[in-house]
Amino acid sequence: QKEVEQNSGPLSVPEGAIASLNCTYSDRGSQSFFWYRQYSGKSPELIMFIYSNGDKEDGRFTAQLNKASQYVSLLIRDSQPSDSATYLCAVGGLTFGKGTHLIIQP
Amino acid sequence: ETGVTQSPTHLIKTRGQQVTLRCSSQSGHNTVSWYQQALGQGPQFIFQYYREEENGRGNFPPRFSGLQFPNYSSELNVNALELDDSALYLCASSFSKGGQQQETQYFGPGTRLLVL
Repeated sequence: QKEVEQNSGPLSVPEGAIASLNCTYSDRGSQSFFWYRQYSGKSPELIMFIYSNGDKEDGRFTAQLNKASQYVSLLIRDSQPSDSATYLCAVGGLTFGKGTHLIIQP
Repeated sequence: ETGVTQSPTHLIKTRGQQVTLRCSSQSGHNTVSWYQQALGQGPQFIFQYYREEENGRGNFPPRFSGLQFPNYSSELNVNALELDDSALYLCASSFSKGGQQQETQYFGPGTRLLVL
């Protein structure tokens, strides 16, 4: 059974700080990793994907992948109140974690 | 917004009934995946269709079935509805070359199903 684990939170971060979201997974053969943001009552929207070990940056977002540790993370720099949402990690594209609820405090 | 559309947006059914949910994929996409998302949970993979064939299935009973049409739109059918089927049903489309790596998916707005 493929599993993806995320801390459900809530994770509370002051505005302007760095928010760090983490995800671990069980399937060592996984090759693709995705982060989605989901606002309450809405569908998930893609933030970014990562396939290779290391860091990938896109604007204020950085995804980090460590396949040896089976760990993927998402950093959000200069956090804004509009970043308050649930962040979903998807491994292999089809297996999602339960999501981390992020609250950015003004 | 993605180009993925779903209908209806909301639906109320009673236990034992059958329901059909519809999804139109984004232009250029050939793969559709369906997910069930219960309140406070992450999306759970139901199945995926690639070029009109089922291309993978999650841990859902056979009363969950689907179709993909030549234009790559898709339907999810659920028979003998149970109370626990109440959830947000999400459709996601992607372009796949048929390989093992899962390509980026784009979600539709979802259909919220309530079973009474």
